[in-house]
Amino acid sequence: DGGITQSPKYLFRKEGQNVTLSCEQNLNHDAMYWYRQDPGQGLRLIYYSQIVNDFQKGDIAEGYSVSREKKESFPLTVTSAQKNPTAFYLCASRQPAGQGVHGYTFGSGTRLTVV
Amino acid sequence: KQEVTQIPAALSVPEGENLVLNCSFTDSAIYNLQWFRQDPGKGLTSLLLIQSSQREQTSGRLNASLDKSSGRSTLYIAASQPGDSATYLCAVRSDDYKLSFGAGTTVTVRA
Repeated sequence: DGGITQSPKYLFRKEGQNVTLSCEQNLNHDAMYWYRQDPGQGLRLIYYSQIVNDFQKGDIAEGYSVSREKKESFPLTVTSAQKNPTAFYLCASRQPAGQGVHGYTFGSGTRLTVV
Repeated sequence: KQEVTQIPAALSVPEGENLVLNCSFTDSAIYNLQWFRQDPGKGLTSLLLIQSSQREQTSGRLNASLDKSSGRSTLYIAASQPGDSATYLCAVRSDDYKLSFGAGTTVTVRA
């Protein structure tokens, strides 16, 4: 079945450490997204990419970085500059235009905790 | 900037009762609106997507309506079951390909 795989499911980060969250999709979608979810708040957009080798900052990009070297992969790095990284991180991809209803598909998420 | 609000924040009903979840948005220039379900600690599962030109979409016991001019969408869940207990999120897509999310409505269906 096609879908989005996020790993790891749980991740612990020490102060001053960079960590990378993996997101892989086999849906053949061009557009991919990273969202952050905090309790009681809506999802907030960190970065998005509409095509390989191109990406744009979202609403809360500070302290994060991404790469898009392959269509299937969109990893997110949480750097030491992100002062409050504890959150639930969700990766998504979007159905291409002209191929139906243009819906978004989400992965199962990574819960990041600072220790 | 698009702002999405979901009311109520939490809802508890007895099994069998119909559920009505509300979503409002500030900018009516939307491309589509999507309803998602999220179980605790899990990702989002798409329930229904309504294009801006549509008034409603139906899937089984679920029906979503869209009134773009007034900036409102409503998700109806008929004959609720304990398995419907989850958080329901409304997301609006503007033409810039970004989704704006509400904070969600947490539903508890009591057996």
